[in-house]
Amino acid sequence: DSGVTQTPKHLITATGQRVTLRCSPRSGDLSVYWYQQSLDQGLQFLIQYYNGEERAKGNILERFSAQQFPDLHSELNLSSLELGDSALYFCASSVSGASPLHFGNGTRLTVT
Amino acid sequence: GQQVMQIPQYQHVQEGEDFTTYCNSSTTLSNIQWYKQRPGGHPVFLIQLVKSGEVKKQKRLTFQFGEAKKNSSLHITATQTTDVGTYFCAAGGSQGNLIFGKGTKLSVKP
Repeated sequence: DSGVTQTPKHLITATGQRVTLRCSPRSGDLSVYWYQQSLDQGLQFLIQYYNGEERAKGNILERFSAQQFPDLHSELNLSSLELGDSALYFCASSVSGASPLHFGNGTRLTVT
Repeated sequence: GQQVMQIPQYQHVQEGEDFTTYCNSSTTLSNIQWYKQRPGGHPVFLIQLVKSGEVKKQKRLTFQFGEAKKNSSLHITATQTTDVGTYFCAAGGSQGNLIFGKGTKLSVKP
């Protein structure tokens, strides 16, 4: 158990809809990262937060947004969903930017 | 943007054979991390290398960081079926984030 909690585990929704993925980091970790993993693909970095502030941005679409709350949990919002957004979305946390990441079990999003 | 290239993309071995995956960068890396993702699972941190020429071992796994800190390798001696999964290298990005290679998917035939 990595200590990182992601909900929900699975999400099935229709094109055009909006969903929110939630992540609770490991106790004591201030950094939260979001990654997208499509079938048999690598881990695409989306965005990183550190102690509530956006720290780094990757290839995150404008339809996607995220935030980290004062209690350090994070939410990833995906809107105007397209079929191509179907993927496994991982949240990871670490003590700081250079520290090893601890991944949650992921949320599998299916857009139909 | 910064990239880490990882080869091969796939590797199929017979149980007992050795396996090596390589990670390369065009820029000097401050450190490199290795992760393993079992089928259906999430990436799990294996090790971090920081020093030029560093070599670390974990049982049958040997990790190396190149002298120029631009490449790294993971070598598994005498693979077992439990080694099956995708191995990722990851390097610190310019923004302080972690950039992952595309991974090497290892399958082991018993």
